[in-house]
Amino acid sequence: DIQMTQSPSSLSASVGDRVTITCRASQTISTYLNWYQQKPGKAPNLLIYAASSLQSGVPSRFSGSGSGTDFTLTISSLQPEDFATYYCQQSFSTLRTFGQGTKVEIK
Amino acid sequence: EAQLVESGGGLVQPGGSLRLSCAASGFTVSGNYLTWVRQAPGKGLEWVSVIYSSGSTYYADSVKGRFIISRDNSKNTLYLQMNSLRAEDTAVYYCARASPPAYGMDVWGQGTTVTVSS
Repeated sequence: DIQMTQSPSSLSASVGDRVTITCRASQTISTYLNWYQQKPGKAPNLLIYAASSLQSGVPSRFSGSGSGTDFTLTISSLQPEDFATYYCQQSFSTLRTFGQGTKVEIK
Repeated sequence: EAQLVESGGGLVQPGGSLRLSCAASGFTVSGNYLTWVRQAPGKGLEWVSVIYSSGSTYYADSVKGRFIISRDNSKNTLYLQMNSLRAEDTAVYYCARASPPAYGMDVWGQGTTVTVSS
C-alpha cells in the first residue's frame, strides 16, 4: 500500500497567517492527490483534487501544488472558519490511503 | 443535488455482524465509484472499501475477508456487510462518491456510528 505522511501533525496559527501543510507519498503518485478539510462531528469536505485543482465552491485562499511524491496545501490568509483538521489522500492506487491529518488550531 | 444518507449503525458484540446502508439521491449508484471510509474515535480517516461502476470491489487489508461491499441498483443504495466484527472496527462509517474516480470524494454522507463492544 502507498503510505501518506503529513507534516506537521498540528500547528497553531493566527487569523491572517499563511499556512502550509505538506504531504509525502511513499512512492510516486503523479498528481493523484486530494486534500480534505474536516471539522469536529462533520464529514470531510473536498478542497483540492488532482493536486492543484480547486473544488467548486471552495474559497480561492486554498491552493495545492506538487507532483510525484511531495505535495503542499496552502491557505493564503487563515480565516476563523479554517480552523479544522486537514487530510491528504492518494487516488493513484486502487487501495486509496489518507495521511494521518494535520490539525490547525488557533494561536 | 447529489446526496448520500447512511443508516444501520449501532452496538454489536465482538464476532457479530452488521449491515450498513447508504441511500443515494441525485445520481445513480450503478454509474459511480462509491467508497466506505471510517474514522475511529479521536483518530484519522481510514479508507475501507470501494465498488466501481463496473462492479469491481476492493478492500483495505484490515477488513478483507470480513467485510463485503455491494449495491442494489433498483434501490439506488450502497451497502457494507460487516462480519466477524472486532473492537477495532468501532468507528463512524462514511459512504462517499468520487466522480470521476481518480479525483477526490466530492459527496459524503453524514456518517453512521458502529460500536463493537460486549
